[in-house]
Amino acid sequence: DAGVIQSPRHEVTEMGQEVTLRCKPISGHDYLFWYRQTMMRGLELLIYFNNNVPIDDSGMPEDRFSAKMPNASFSTLKIQPSEPRDSAVYFCASTLDSWTGSYGYTFGSGTRLTVV
Amino acid sequence: KQEVTQIPAALSVPEGENLVLNCSFTDSAIYNLQWFRQDPGKGLTSLLLIQSSQREQTSGRLNASLDKSSGRSTLYIAASQPGDSATYLCAVSNQAGTALIFGKGTTLSVSS
Repeated sequence: DAGVIQSPRHEVTEMGQEVTLRCKPISGHDYLFWYRQTMMRGLELLIYFNNNVPIDDSGMPEDRFSAKMPNASFSTLKIQPSEPRDSAVYFCASTLDSWTGSYGYTFGSGTRLTVV
Repeated sequence: KQEVTQIPAALSVPEGENLVLNCSFTDSAIYNLQWFRQDPGKGLTSLLLIQSSQREQTSGRLNASLDKSSGRSTLYIAASQPGDSATYLCAVSNQAGTALIFGKGTTLSVSS
């Protein structure tokens, strides 16, 4: 398995532009998570999906952020318009639900976003 | 609301030392706990997963323990090496189908 795949690896954009981050979870995993990592706040959950349905989006900072999961193998996180304070590393992770708690989370390599 | 704390925030040791990283969580009713490693500028690599019914897990030189009643987990690294230098993150999930909640991590530096 190729693991969780994120693209692009790096993104530099100008303030006000739209940014779209992409994630392909591990095949068969039914949960997908988007996290943001900054030096000040560490890893914060933005939103997560179960079977392509958003379950908790309380971590999405504001209306400028939106996420979709049109099918089991693809998700996007969009920021429109982007602002310098959105600069961070964005991680996608997936897992398989298990009543025993025996499945861990697998993270992608992240997208480093810089908004100038 | 579950909160995860990791102490110390940073640790420097000479090569060969055995060391312990600490993780505490405020709500003891967890589903599982996972330790990750993160190298600078890289993603998270899973090290060990402990289910709520387990007390410890081992992988090579790493051993993680879990004491739910006291809300604590420790990651023991035996015979540390410079290649162990990284940030170690502890994360818990409260129940099936919920997100991991992370501590801020412990940054380890092992000198040769």
